[in-house]
Amino acid sequence: NAGVMQNPRHLVRRRGQEARLRCSPMKGHSHVYWYRQLPEEGLKFMVYLQKENIIDESGMPKERFSAEFPKEGPSILRIQQVVRGDSAAYFCASSPQYSTSSGNTIYFGEGSWLTVV
Amino acid sequence: GQQLNQSPQSMFIQEGEDVSMNCTSSSIFNTWLWYKQEPGEGPVLLIALYKAGELTSNGRLTAQFGITRKDSFLNISASIPSDVGIYFCAGQLSGGSQGNLIFGKGTKLSVKP
Repeated sequence: NAGVMQNPRHLVRRRGQEARLRCSPMKGHSHVYWYRQLPEEGLKFMVYLQKENIIDESGMPKERFSAEFPKEGPSILRIQQVVRGDSAAYFCASSPQYSTSSGNTIYFGEGSWLTVV
Repeated sequence: GQQLNQSPQSMFIQEGEDVSMNCTSSSIFNTWLWYKQEPGEGPVLLIALYKAGELTSNGRLTAQFGITRKDSFLNISASIPSDVGIYFCAGQLSGGSQGNLIFGKGTKLSVKP
């Protein structure tokens, strides 16, 4: 009964490099979300994707950040030309199709900790 | 942006005591979720609430979706050392997109044996 799988768990990048974070949703889930958490803070929504579609990217920074959820394979959050301020924990979450009876229950992965040096 | 006010920010209690924390907002929410997060881990869903007035229990945990749809509380009864962690409320705004949750800043719970 695998949950939301994220990798890598920890990633160190030098300023200016690219970071790629991967997420495989729970089995049977077709909706993927990415959140960012700074130290001592709550999680902040970044983007919501379904297969091959970005549904809501209202929380994504306008530059350097992109996300995809291809037809095959995991969802990827890509950060180009990383800066120190990108250092954070990035969490992926997934959910099944929304239903009026059970609402929208979102399950999180264990996170990917990005450190930019 | 939208905010959830979660309180208290931290709690130091004795094992066996009951705990209460809450979240409030000036906005209306369709869904309230309560999560627990431990260091180096992702948030784990504790309780989900979908209807105003709904009261739901999960073992020693009880949570309620406020009638006004602007608040929620979480109670933990008879706390034990493994309850230690950070508890987050999260809400989905009325009219917001699915999965776009607003998180509180968390309540850090410490339990003294």
